[in-house]
Amino acid sequence: DAKTTQPNSMESNEEEPVHLPCNHSTISGTDYIHWYRQLPSQGPEYVIHGLTSNVNNRMASLAIAEDRKSSTLILHRATLRDAAVYYCILRDNNAGNMLTFGGGTRLMVKP
Amino acid sequence: DSGVTQTPKHLITATGQRVTLRCSPRSGDLSVYWYQQSLDQGLQFLIQYYNGEERAKGNILERFSAQQFPDLHSELNLSSLELGDSALYFCASSADPLPGRTGELFFGEGSRLTVL
Repeated sequence: DAKTTQPNSMESNEEEPVHLPCNHSTISGTDYIHWYRQLPSQGPEYVIHGLTSNVNNRMASLAIAEDRKSSTLILHRATLRDAAVYYCILRDNNAGNMLTFGGGTRLMVKP
Repeated sequence: DSGVTQTPKHLITATGQRVTLRCSPRSGDLSVYWYQQSLDQGLQFLIQYYNGEERAKGNILERFSAQQFPDLHSELNLSSLELGDSALYFCASSADPLPGRTGELFFGEGSRLTVL
């Protein structure tokens, strides 16, 4: 799988928007961009995924650059419960089924 | 609650021993994935089964093996345990063997293995 680069950690204030960046300069045309997060003492949970167009769901928005070499996960109003490690993952639909996790970004939310 | 059940939640054993971790996927999901999470290695994919057959293999040691049964539950067997095998072991399931389309793996809460 192509590699992603994320900041090790970020801080946010509660109820403010958070923009979590991910660089994936070697992305291929068939790679989907997935985001998962892992809350303390829990298994990872799906957040959002996309291919080319921006995506929205009840948890977050995913903004994908036009050249697809980067993307940003947007949490519109951070809550304390959003404190977690956020993983940006590229998945080639044709290369297998597993997700390959990198180091992720540890998001800290301050009250 | 993801719907994926893992047992046991905690397990303490000694080096050289063998343990079995169990996973019940979400109702209707045919794919089961096993991951290992240790402090220094992060989340590592071990193996995937789809409807009883091995589908993909990752960094799984020869001392480890897994299987998926006809009722779709899966077991991960770890033998000749070493101190370095201490980790969280996660099971995940998905309905579609190509999660790039559905986008979603559902993870259990993990089994914490401590090898003394």
